[in-house]
Amino acid sequence: GEDVEQSLFLSVREGDSSVINCTYTDSSSTYLYWYKQEPGAGLQLLTYIFSNMDMKQDQRLTVLLNKKDKHLSLRIADTQTGDSAIYFCAESLDTDKLIFGTGTRLQVFP
Amino acid sequence: DTEVTQTPKHLVMGMTNKKSLKCEQHMGHRAMYWYKQKAKKPPELMFVYSYEKLSINESVPSRFSPECPNSSLLNLHLHALQPEDSALYLCASSQSLAGAFYEQYFGPGTRLTVT
Repeated sequence: GEDVEQSLFLSVREGDSSVINCTYTDSSSTYLYWYKQEPGAGLQLLTYIFSNMDMKQDQRLTVLLNKKDKHLSLRIADTQTGDSAIYFCAESLDTDKLIFGTGTRLQVFP
Repeated sequence: DTEVTQTPKHLVMGMTNKKSLKCEQHMGHRAMYWYKQKAKKPPELMFVYSYEKLSINESVPSRFSPECPNSSLLNLHLHALQPEDSALYLCASSQSLAGAFYEQYFGPGTRLTVT
């Protein structure tokens, strides 16, 4: 199957950490991605992880991958108001096709 | 230049109109994509062009007709659309290396309203 699920909404206080979760069903995914979409805009690639890795850190972003449970998470440290957006996880197989998750709306309040 | 441009930003059209959406990139990418995104939903893939040839058509109705006149340009021709086709249409491009990492660069989208 190609279902990628995310929780719909997350609200955090500025300066706290945010953790956005994603579950996927296709164990043959080669790469997993996190995209950010601000209102009325296209998607911006934030980070990605290869399927044989467990963790990747990139400045304020930490990606954790649990292949056994098919669970991917994105942790944003020191969350800022500019991080408010919709976050999509996505997986790709050996094709030119990305399968996007349902999206999580992150709201950051002061 | 890591930009994908799309024109127009907004388009309102009647059900009997014919219009076209345009997408352009100058990054030397050989794969280009059209996605449709309804409000509060993830993008859904419509078409993929690889080396200017249509490689994926996700069973899109024929009232949407893609065209890739050269490696930098991608068009989406629209004819006899329905109100439910109203959505944000996103274009993307990437290096087309199946099985390897590639980043898809997205344009800002065209907001289409069908009346």
